[in-house]
Amino acid sequence: ETGVTQTPRHLVMGMTNKKSLKCEQHLGHNAMYWYKQSAKKPLELMFVYNFKEQTENNSVPSRFSPECPNSSHLFLHLHTLQPEDSALYLCASSQLWEVEGYTFGSGTRLTVV
Amino acid sequence: SQQGEEDPQALSIQEGENATMNCSYKTSINNLQWYRQNSGRGLVHLILIRSNEREKHSGRLRVTLDTSKKSSSLLITASRAADTASYFCATVYAGGTSYGKLTFGQGTILTVHP
Repeated sequence: ETGVTQTPRHLVMGMTNKKSLKCEQHLGHNAMYWYKQSAKKPLELMFVYNFKEQTENNSVPSRFSPECPNSSHLFLHLHTLQPEDSALYLCASSQLWEVEGYTFGSGTRLTVV
Repeated sequence: SQQGEEDPQALSIQEGENATMNCSYKTSINNLQWYRQNSGRGLVHLILIRSNEREKHSGRLRVTLDTSKKSSSLLITASRAADTASYFCATVYAGGTSYGKLTFGQGTILTVHP
């Protein structure tokens, strides 16, 4: 375990479903991130939260809705997804002002059917 | 975009050989990092090199950085089958609103044959 825990590991959902991805870190980091990894594409940064405030939204469709209730927890709420949203969703955390390596979770493999 | 681009896209070697992967980027950086990803799993941070450093070592890993050419290389010496994975370089932009964000390249798939 890296210190960043993502659940569930795998998720299959229909296009009309609503589901949530969860990420939790107890490393004392003050920044958390959602990345999307699709086949044959670079990792795409989706959202950035600093001290639980959203500071970045990289033109992500509104069917993805992040939530950060505190600096240790991050959620990604999903609704009305499309098949092209199938991907590995990775959560990461880091210290914001002393930029060292990010710590990643193991990811949630999402399949939209 | 300042995304790093790795070269080669895929590398296949025998156990015991050295593996070299290259990364190029476009804009000024604060630091450059290398990550490893086993199939379908999260990324693991390997090593970070700052913009004022030229070379760094960690175990069997050696990273170089040439800011004049905007390029970096990762050398894995005496490779093992367990080194089989995808390797990504990632850059942290030097200033502005991108501070602290990592931007990744597409990665190099390394296969080490026993």
